[in-house]
Amino acid sequence: GAVVSQHPSRVICKSGTSVKIECRSLDFQATTMFWYRQFPKQSLMLMATSNEGSKATYEQGVEKDKFLINHASLTLSTLTVTSAHPEDSSFYICSASHGTGGNTEAFFGQGTRLTVV
Amino acid sequence: QKEVEQDPGPLSVPEGAIVSLNCTYSNSAFQYFMWYRQYSRKGPELLMYTYSSGNKEDGRFTAQVDKSSKYISLFIRDSQPSDSATYLCAMSWYGAQKLVFGQGTRLTINP
Repeated sequence: GAVVSQHPSRVICKSGTSVKIECRSLDFQATTMFWYRQFPKQSLMLMATSNEGSKATYEQGVEKDKFLINHASLTLSTLTVTSAHPEDSSFYICSASHGTGGNTEAFFGQGTRLTVV
Repeated sequence: QKEVEQDPGPLSVPEGAIVSLNCTYSNSAFQYFMWYRQYSRKGPELLMYTYSSGNKEDGRFTAQVDKSSKYISLFIRDSQPSDSATYLCAMSWYGAQKLVFGQGTRLTINP
């Protein structure tokens, strides 16, 4: 299957600082990338969808000014958590697909565990 | 009511047993159904991907979709300790777009 690399795998930051998470598709061009959030023992919740070269589409309840998403190339998307607070601590996972058709699959990165202290 | 319901378990079975995992859903617009395996502190790994109703087999894994009952299943034959993980069902109305996940079932295969 296709490989999606996410970095860093774990980050601890102080409250009020910003953190950037990178998501790269290593062996295919990702037309669309998705960002999810997963709380302990809960399911993945879609935060936003980004298409290369255009603004991300955020799900209801997700603050676009807090979670900045950039998808500047077909192999890289970034999620920046701005002015992080302890309640932002979570597991953030990206996924990427190489098309927008009905038969396209999404491949996931390894996830980033963010802890805000 | 959640759009996708999945029993979180935990489910513990002996090695070699047949495992049955399932999800129910409420949105009849879902047409694409997936099963992911997630090891602790890792991202989900796609196991099975099916469109509409029917069965799909891949090695020891079989996925079934019954759209009339809004019910999907994943069967694991000859289960191995390495199959121990959390299994997530996911579905969408259109391919990889806006996947809706179940809570995940934590599975342990005992040697």
